[in-house]
Amino acid sequence: SAVISQKPSRDICQRGTSLTIQCQVDSQVTMMFWYRQQPGQSLTLIATANQGSEATYESGFVIDKFPISRPNLTFSTLTVSNMSPEDSSIYLCSIRRTIGTALNYGYTFGSGTRLTVV
Amino acid sequence: AQSVAQPEDQVNVAEGNPLTVKCTYSVSGNPYLFWYVQYPNRGLQFLLKYITGDNLVKGSYGFEAEFNKSQTSFHLKKPSALVSDSALYFCAVRAISGGYNKLIFGAGTRLAVHP
Repeated sequence: SAVISQKPSRDICQRGTSLTIQCQVDSQVTMMFWYRQQPGQSLTLIATANQGSEATYESGFVIDKFPISRPNLTFSTLTVSNMSPEDSSIYLCSIRRTIGTALNYGYTFGSGTRLTVV
Repeated sequence: AQSVAQPEDQVNVAEGNPLTVKCTYSVSGNPYLFWYVQYPNRGLQFLLKYITGDNLVKGSYGFEAEFNKSQTSFHLKKPSALVSDSALYFCAVRAISGGYNKLIFGAGTRLAVHP
């Protein structure tokens, strides 16, 4: 199965600054996803990133706050802009596997970026 | 609306006893269902999934889950719990929206296994 490298693994940032999180996959994938997990909460999808097109954002998330790049089929970045303490969360990237039959369908997650905004 | 419900915030069980973590779903079309586990300061690990076929699916670490279409449930089970099973468990379902497939997660259930 595909291996996802996500970095940084954690960071402490000053409010008002921006942080860019990188997600590298060891194979080509069509769809990549970015999730947020606020403290003690479940995972919420931020956006879906397809190579060669604009990311599709979920309700409550906007491009100005969470710009996403997807320059090729193995890499994506998520930027958390103009951060406030409310942005303190774990951010995870994910890929969808659809190779072969439906039985191979699944989602793999990166190890996450633990962001603390002070 | 497409959704996943995990009705229990926390499940407590004694080591060696069977455990069940509940999950119900609402989705259009055939459900693709998943269970993930998250240990402290660790990423999300895949446990098992139901796509098609037998309703009882077996996964990692001795876990299994039963797909029940009439009850729209996909409860996670293990015959004999271990202290090391203590973690946060998430049920998820594939949802189709705006032409995209995406994974929707339940709120999570914290499993505490006591010696």
